[in-house]
Amino acid sequence: ETGVTQTPRHLVMGMTNKKSLKCEQHLGHNAMYWYKQSAKKPLELMFVYNFKEQTENNSVPSRFSPECPNSSHLFLHLHTLQPEDSALYLCASSQEGDRAPYEQYFGPGTRLTVT
Amino acid sequence: GQNIDQPTEMTATEGAIVQINCTYQTSGFNGLFWYQQHAGEAPTFLSYNVLDGLEEKGRFSSFLSRSKGYSYLLLKELQMKDSASYLCASSDSNYQLIWGAGTKLIIKP
Repeated sequence: ETGVTQTPRHLVMGMTNKKSLKCEQHLGHNAMYWYKQSAKKPLELMFVYNFKEQTENNSVPSRFSPECPNSSHLFLHLHTLQPEDSALYLCASSQEGDRAPYEQYFGPGTRLTVT
Repeated sequence: GQNIDQPTEMTATEGAIVQINCTYQTSGFNGLFWYQQHAGEAPTFLSYNVLDGLEEKGRFSSFLSRSKGYSYLLLKELQMKDSASYLCASSDSNYQLIWGAGTKLIIKP
């Protein structure tokens, strides 16, 4: 496998379910991200893990919880979601340093539908 | 505040040229990215500008004016496969990306 992979590609879950999204990067990068992409809206950064620290968007509800066991793997744990959480969830990675932003490499996304 | 504006949708003809504009207001600006996203696929990197001027990369070019908070992506000799959404993103003082909602480009034969 190369690049950034995400599983599952599609997920339908009820509001009382618990599920997890998985992301794996094979690029040797030191930073990983979770984004939410809703139709006709900007990409919304949810969580960042880099070699320094975890950063999160304070507007992300607690029903989303990230886990980053190592620099290659990233999870997004979901519980008691709402229908408005239905969206495409994108994982990305980059090689971050102290200077200059670096391009982010995206996975294909998980299309989540909450019923 | 921080803001990115780009047109929602544009239509162009195969073989023609199209310019997609992006305006931004970003604290501690550290450069401007363009990404391409085909329907149902991951965004892929196209270009990065941090200095004023035009950067050319094959059929695609990207321009930046820092004083005007303005960028554009220029696509020449349009092909049907260029039908996609084009995402503009600026980098802030923490090197985090602020994203626009994307411009859906429709190419007609």
